[in-house]
Amino acid sequence: GAGVSQSPRYKVAKRGQDVALRCDPISGHVSLFWYQQALGQGPEFLTYFQNEAQLDKSGLPSDRFFAERPEGSVSTLKIQRTQKEDSAVYLCASSSRPGGMDAGYTFGSGTRLTVV
Amino acid sequence: GQQVMQIPQYQHVQEGEDFTTYCNSSTTLSNIQWYKQRPGGHPVFLIQLVKSGEVKKQKRLTFQFGEAKKNSSLHITATQTTDVGTYFCAAQTGANNLFFGTGTRLTVIP
Repeated sequence: GAGVSQSPRYKVAKRGQDVALRCDPISGHVSLFWYQQALGQGPEFLTYFQNEAQLDKSGLPSDRFFAERPEGSVSTLKIQRTQKEDSAVYLCASSSRPGGMDAGYTFGSGTRLTVV
Repeated sequence: GQQVMQIPQYQHVQEGEDFTTYCNSSTTLSNIQWYKQRPGGHPVFLIQLVKSGEVKKQKRLTFQFGEAKKNSSLHITATQTTDVGTYFCAAQTGANNLFFGTGTRLTVIP
């Protein structure tokens, strides 16, 4: 597609529930990033994929967070046993360059997760 | 880890006034990017600066990269209500991702 598509747009989860957030990057973009943005804050890096390889997951806050991109296109961010502190907007971005170096990122509209 | 600080955190200006936000890093940066995020929206890429001392312009927006590649600024001339939003700088130090600054939230009073 023309842009980065994320779904769902909004998700309300009960504490302890598992959630899965989907990102469909721009076709052909090798790099895919997940960011977490808390209210009033800047985006915080979670993880990076180059094609299907997860090259950096240093930003994942706990082992409850898991991301995959099995065929090098669509990616899923899964959060197990959600906690209230997981409430945030989860942004996906893609880039045509490996590592996103020297290229702007194109962000999706995000998924706003609210854990109640 | 990498920290990129932005000042001011908030800025209220009268429509037609100028606006500047500053971005500072303690380490030398490979490049710096600027993004705009409208209220309720997502970050949108504005520009990238790579060279020491580089200056780029986009209509009323002027972007600068410091000589030491540790700081940057965004200046908007004669603000309009369409300029409302949060402006983020984002830095790459050679790693695989961008570190976003704390952002400056701009409010333009008509």
